[in-house]
Amino acid sequence: EAEVAQSPRYKITEKSQAVAFWCDPISGHATLYWYRQILGQGPELLVQFQDESVVDDSQLPKDRFSAERLKGVDSTLKIQPAELGDSAMYLCASSLRGYEQYFGPGTRLTVT
Amino acid sequence: GQQVMQIPQYQHVQEGEDFTTYCNSSTTLSNIQWYKQRPGGHPVFLIQLVKSGEVKKQKRLTFQFGEAKKNSSLHITATQTTDVGTYFCAGFGNQFYFGTGTSLTVIP
Repeated sequence: EAEVAQSPRYKITEKSQAVAFWCDPISGHATLYWYRQILGQGPELLVQFQDESVVDDSQLPKDRFSAERLKGVDSTLKIQPAELGDSAMYLCASSLRGYEQYFGPGTRLTVT
Repeated sequence: GQQVMQIPQYQHVQEGEDFTTYCNSSTTLSNIQWYKQRPGGHPVFLIQLVKSGEVKKQKRLTFQFGEAKKNSSLHITATQTTDVGTYFCAGFGNQFYFGTGTSLTVIP
């Protein structure tokens, strides 16, 4: 069964450092989402791509976060500089028709 | 801004008891989706409802979308230990939002 791949699975970084996460969606899925999930809360949408175009990045803290999906396939989410409050699970999801979303295993970020 | 709240936040039930979680949005939703997240896992899609008043069933799970398309519910009949996890509703109003979640614990 096809799955969404994410790497790394865990990342520990010091505050003020840069960090990047990678996501490879299910083949053929045009829609890709990045979420941030703080323990005990629901996922918060950071950015949504349709192919290589950003559809919604209204909740993305653009002063420090950036996301790209250059060829409309895999995607990278970057944080620079990282802050203590960025510690969370970063989830990537993809969707074929913009309906059900298939989530990857996530990247657990700890900022020290 | 748009908010999607779920109640209760936590629910402990004895195995075999029923369970219901309620989802309420501050804005009208075009559709509602439900996801289940096991402890330590990632959200897994369960179902999508689109029509006002729609009811769908999956084995022991019953999903309902309110007439005004601002609320939804998930009911599990005769819970099992495999039902443990956090149940999230999610929907699109002016943006796509996940609800606050209901964490279900099933006591054997």
